[in-house]
Amino acid sequence: QKEVEQNSGPLSVPEGAIASLNCTYSDRVSQSFFWYRQYSGKSPELIMSIYSNGDKEDGRFTAQLNKASQYVSLLIRDSQPSDSATYLCAVKRNTGFQKLVFGTGTRLLVSP
Amino acid sequence: DGGITQSPKYLFRKEGQNVTLSCEQNLNHDAMYWYRQDPGQGLRLIYYSQIVNDFQKGDIAEGYSVSREKKESFPLTVTSAQKNPTAFYLCASSTEGGRDTEAFFGQGTRLTVV
Repeated sequence: QKEVEQNSGPLSVPEGAIASLNCTYSDRVSQSFFWYRQYSGKSPELIMSIYSNGDKEDGRFTAQLNKASQYVSLLIRDSQPSDSATYLCAVKRNTGFQKLVFGTGTRLLVSP
Repeated sequence: DGGITQSPKYLFRKEGQNVTLSCEQNLNHDAMYWYRQDPGQGLRLIYYSQIVNDFQKGDIAEGYSVSREKKESFPLTVTSAQKNPTAFYLCASSTEGGRDTEAFFGQGTRLTVV
């Protein structure tokens, strides 16, 4: 079982729609969760971090965390063509060996 | 400006050569990471370091070596034992412990074997 799993996509949505990206993780001790956006040929950039169960909103982005189900998601409202990229989920412990583990990413395509 | 600097941006290696990729940060972060990304793939962890003079193997450490003699620097050597080194290499750093431990990335080094 992979430590962090994401559907590779592509996830295609029309401009203005809500894009929903999902991620599951296997290590129950994980305490920190991150979403990164990566454009082709570029390095990942941080979009959201979430540490507690529930929702966290930042502009058009909402991260959702459910530790009991070991599930974290990212919602993008009013999707724009510029949101087209690969979205990487990352998970980290905050104690012991604190390696930061990434999923393989979900490719999002937003059509005009 | 604070940030993470990777150099060079592009690197070409001949068969059988060792090459070293540089990663420097001035964010005062304790932890540093090296990842490898192949085309269309996610990030695979090579090595990480939580503190000076200590580092841990990641999932694909074979054929690579690192050092952490200074807090600011975490160079990665790709040795001749790495059979397929052509890839995009990414360095990241973060604070440790507690919350707000987001990792930030350098611009990456694209390594090609010629």
